[in-house]
Amino acid sequence: NAGVTQTPKFRVLKTGQSMTLLCAQDMNHEYMYWYRQDPGMGLRLIHYSVGEGTTAKGEVPDGYNVSRLKKQNFLLGLESAAPSQTSVYFCASSYYAGGTAEQYFGPGTRLTVT
Amino acid sequence: AQSVSQHNHHVILSEAASLELGCNYSYGGTVNLFWYVQYPGQHLQLLLKYFSGDPLVKGIKGFEAEFIKSKFSFNLRKPSVQWSDTAEYFCASYNTDKLIFGTGTRLQVFP
Repeated sequence: NAGVTQTPKFRVLKTGQSMTLLCAQDMNHEYMYWYRQDPGMGLRLIHYSVGEGTTAKGEVPDGYNVSRLKKQNFLLGLESAAPSQTSVYFCASSYYAGGTAEQYFGPGTRLTVT
Repeated sequence: AQSVSQHNHHVILSEAASLELGCNYSYGGTVNLFWYVQYPGQHLQLLLKYFSGDPLVKGIKGFEAEFIKSKFSFNLRKPSVQWSDTAEYFCASYNTDKLIFGTGTRLQVFP
């Protein structure tokens, strides 16, 4: 099993450009999450999905959109990138969303917006 | 809103020293708590979790955490740290489909 994979690993964008980050998991997990990690702020939830075809907003959803067309994939889109979106983005998945569920994380995407 | 606080932002220890990292949560109902670790350049991995039963939870790599309900705390401990424990440590609490993370504690261990 590859677990949770993310593409790309690094990306530099100019302000106003758009891009899509891809997260894929091969563990047949129902739940998938996108976080951003910033120094001194820990991980903050952007959007999440409780199953194929569903999405929900997290703590910091503004400026991002997501789609879950297939169970194994969760896409994070930036329509018009801003320097404030410079961050490390982590995808995670879990089999269920109960309190005992472990989230499995991907390796991260480091995004710089200039 | 539910929150998780980690008051130690940066901890520096020598090898063999004992470690205790603080974590406090705000939710007063049923709690499910986690500690994750992020080694340099790597993704987050689960160290341990608490959801019920024995309040002293043992995790991987010699780590343990104690859930103290009266103090709303879930502190992480290790009796003797190693250089390889250098990492960032995150406490998290489960809340309706998602985890709420603390801001993290950066641990540096020097030989």
